Amino acid sequence: DTEVTQTPKHLVMGMTNKKSLKCEQHMGHRAMYWYKQKAKKPPELMFVYSYEKLSINESVPSRFSPECPNSSLLNLHLHALQPEDSALYLCASSQALSTGFRTEAFFGQGTRLTVV
Amino acid sequence: SQQGEEDPQALSIQEGENATMNCSYKTSINNLQWYRQNSGRGLVHLILIRSNEREKHSGRLRVTLDTSKKSSSLLITASRAADTASYFCATAIFTGTASKLTFGTGTRLQVTL
Repeated sequence: DTEVTQTPKHLVMGMTNKKSLKCEQHMGHRAMYWYKQKAKKPPELMFVYSYEKLSINESVPSRFSPECPNSSLLNLHLHALQPEDSALYLCASSQALSTGFRTEAFFGQGTRLTVV
Repeated sequence: SQQGEEDPQALSIQEGENATMNCSYKTSINNLQWYRQNSGRGLVHLILIRSNEREKHSGRLRVTLDTSKKSSSLLITASRAADTASYFCATAIFTGTASKLTFGTGTRLQVTL
């Protein structure tokens, strides 16, 4: 199974709402990533988890709160977002470095988020 | 922040022709990867080249890496209409047990019949 599953595929939320994006993988990967991608732009790294611990936070605003409850799941909790946060949110997973150097990432299909 | 700049930004070729995309980056890296993205959905990994390698092949793909110039190129030979997509280079920098994967600006490839 080489699949990363993201839910929901589409999400519309108001600026006062709280919502969560979910990501799941069953490849035994111990590194998981959140990226944000605006139209016609490259993906921008937000967070990296390694062995269920937050390893990298690219100075992301606190209205985005990641969580890694176990080695297969990654969540992104959203609260008080702004319209400019509307984007495609991509989750990815890869081997962690201590298990090898095959660090290619497997991506989910993304959640298209619209903040109104 | 972006690590890599790609050129061209857009490339339009006919089926059967070769497509070459270039990537330049700013800092030392552990490996460089190329990804493909269709219609703004998920990215698919194409090929990985380590910093101590100079060239790799995979099917119709050939990638080169010049660490002295901090640049890489991706060649797709005998292109097909199905190759139409956006292509991104991504630099990997190892930090602790994680790999920081940063994407370049991308090249939009259009292959016409």
